[in-house]
Amino acid sequence: TQLLEQSPQFLSIQEGENLTVYCNSSSVFSSLQWYRQEPGEGPVLLVTVVTGGEVKKLKRLTFQFGDARKDSSLHITAAQPGDTGLYLCAVVDSGYALNFGKGTSLLVTP
Amino acid sequence: DSGVTQTPKHLITATGQRVTLRCSPRSGDLSVYWYQQSLDQGLQFLIQYYNGEERAKGNILERFSAQQFPDLHSELNLSSLELGDSALYFCASSPPTTTEAFFGQGTRLTVV
Repeated sequence: TQLLEQSPQFLSIQEGENLTVYCNSSSVFSSLQWYRQEPGEGPVLLVTVVTGGEVKKLKRLTFQFGDARKDSSLHITAAQPGDTGLYLCAVVDSGYALNFGKGTSLLVTP
Repeated sequence: DSGVTQTPKHLITATGQRVTLRCSPRSGDLSVYWYQQSLDQGLQFLIQYYNGEERAKGNILERFSAQQFPDLHSELNLSSLELGDSALYFCASSPPTTTEAFFGQGTRLTVV
């Protein structure tokens, strides 16, 4: 069973559109991280959310941690081709391991 | 540049062989993580070391082993390689007080 479920798996949109991707679990976590990975590169940390209900903004990206700390969302406003990549959420489980969801693959076309 | 160095960047080897992947963490980071990434399985956690000691273990095969040395660099050894071991292998490190991971550029392993 996957610890984290991410949806959608794939998303293809045009430049200027808005989108939201989701990261869900049945477990409660003390924090959750979002990463972006570009082809051929390692994932790069975007943000860590810690408090239930917390909202963090990074330019056009808005991250929210669910009130119950079981889920998170990433909203991108006015997507640009540079936003193309694989968006991964990650949590630390009870055994210290940093586990990742399978990701949402985003393609933004001009 | 994340500050995490992985070598080699590419590796092509035959089935049944053994290879060693190397990782140098960021200066000051005590934790090293190893991950395997394939198209169908995503980023799979293999193993974590903290200051030389094994801290967490994921779905690492018995044919795979790792260690972290006193200078904190780490090696992942893959033996009796099979075609299905072809994947990207990532190393990541994190500072002592956080789990935020900084990834290397990966080693692309192709088993033929």
